[in-house]
Amino acid sequence: SQKIEQNSEALNIQEGKTATLTCNYTNYSPAYLQWYRQDPGRGPVFLLLIRENEKEKRKERLKVTFDTTLKQSLFHITASQPADSATYLCALPKAAGNKLTFGGGTRVLVKP
Amino acid sequence: NAGVMQNPRHLVRRRGQEARLRCSPVKGHSHVYWYRQLPEEGLKFMVYLQKENIIDESGMPKERFSAEFPKEGPSILRIQQVVRGDSAAYFCASFLGQGNGETQYFGPGTRLLVL
Repeated sequence: SQKIEQNSEALNIQEGKTATLTCNYTNYSPAYLQWYRQDPGRGPVFLLLIRENEKEKRKERLKVTFDTTLKQSLFHITASQPADSATYLCALPKAAGNKLTFGGGTRVLVKP
Repeated sequence: NAGVMQNPRHLVRRRGQEARLRCSPVKGHSHVYWYRQLPEEGLKFMVYLQKENIIDESGMPKERFSAEFPKEGPSILRIQQVVRGDSAAYFCASFLGQGNGETQYFGPGTRLLVL
């Protein structure tokens, strides 16, 4: 069955460093992959989408890579700030269309 | 430019009561997903609705759960005869429906607590 795995352990990082999160998936051949941010008590907020024919995507201090051979996406937050502290979710479409399956999320805590 | 609105934000019910959760999508969006998030778990797809139609309800339990998205008014997720296991955060997300990979805009969620 289809599976998405994110590191369930919280990532503690010093302000200014780069945080790197991993999303691994099995039994999928997704056309794209999305990353969301979720703060406590709030709904997820869309950050980035990367398509299967794209190796890398950037948005401000965020960078996402997508390796369809390894079935893995890496999410980087460069020059991290305490305001980046949140849970980050990766999501893949279940089939053609927009229905998403989410990973369990990785909590990031950036310490000043 | 209002985003997705959900109400109530918090809902407490006793076992056996009914819970009605409302979702007003972004203005102009006619597609809505409902997701459920259990504590310390990821979001799980429940149902996909377009105005007046259920497109995919494969993630929704067959018993006690129903959803609708009428031509006018918000989308409603209804849970009848709630049980403790229904306690979770329920999120809706809306999008335009113009192609694959569209951004989904999530509401703030309704946190249901069943006593």
